[in-house]
Amino acid sequence: QKEVEQNSGPLSVPEGAIASLNCTYSDRGSQSFFWYRQYSGKSPELIMFIYSNGDKEDGRFTAQLNKASQYVSLLIRDSQPSDSATYLCAVNLWGGATNKLIFGTGTLLAVQP
Amino acid sequence: EPEVTQTPSHQVTQMGQEVILRCVPISNHLYFYWYRQILGQKVEFLVSFYNNEISEKSEIFDDQFSVERPDGSNFTLKIRSTKLEDSAMYFCASRRLAADTGELFFGEGSRLTVL
Repeated sequence: QKEVEQNSGPLSVPEGAIASLNCTYSDRGSQSFFWYRQYSGKSPELIMFIYSNGDKEDGRFTAQLNKASQYVSLLIRDSQPSDSATYLCAVNLWGGATNKLIFGTGTLLAVQP
Repeated sequence: EPEVTQTPSHQVTQMGQEVILRCVPISNHLYFYWYRQILGQKVEFLVSFYNNEISEKSEIFDDQFSVERPDGSNFTLKIRSTKLEDSAMYFCASRRLAADTGELFFGEGSRLTVL
């Protein structure tokens, strides 16, 4: 069973702080990794993806991947109240016709004004 | 910007009734998916569809579920005889190719309430 694990939270940070969200995955065959943001009652919205070890930055967001440790994280700098949402980690196995994403349970982030 | 569209946004049905959820994937996408999310739980894979056939289905996707792409644009999920536990948000998603980064584009979802 391929699993993606996240702390469900809530993770509470003050406005302007750095929010750090973590995710571990069980399948070493996982090739690409995604962070989605989901507001309550809405669909997942892609924030960024990463498939190479190291850091990838996009604006206030930085994704970090360590395949040896099977760990991926998302840092949100200068957190804003509008960042308050559930952050979903998802992993993808390449190969075959499926390439489905497996999602974690999500971490609820609350940014306090 | 192209998007995945889903209808209806919300459907209420009686237990035992059939429901059909509809999706129009992004036009040049080749891989289609249905996911569901029970309230407060994670997004779960149901089924993937490529080249007019199911490429993979999960344990959730039992004989009560079916998918089809009847006309080259719509992608439908049918639940033959709904149960209370089918109440969930159902998301359609599509992707352009298999060999890309794997990004799925999600529709806004169809909320199914079974009474």
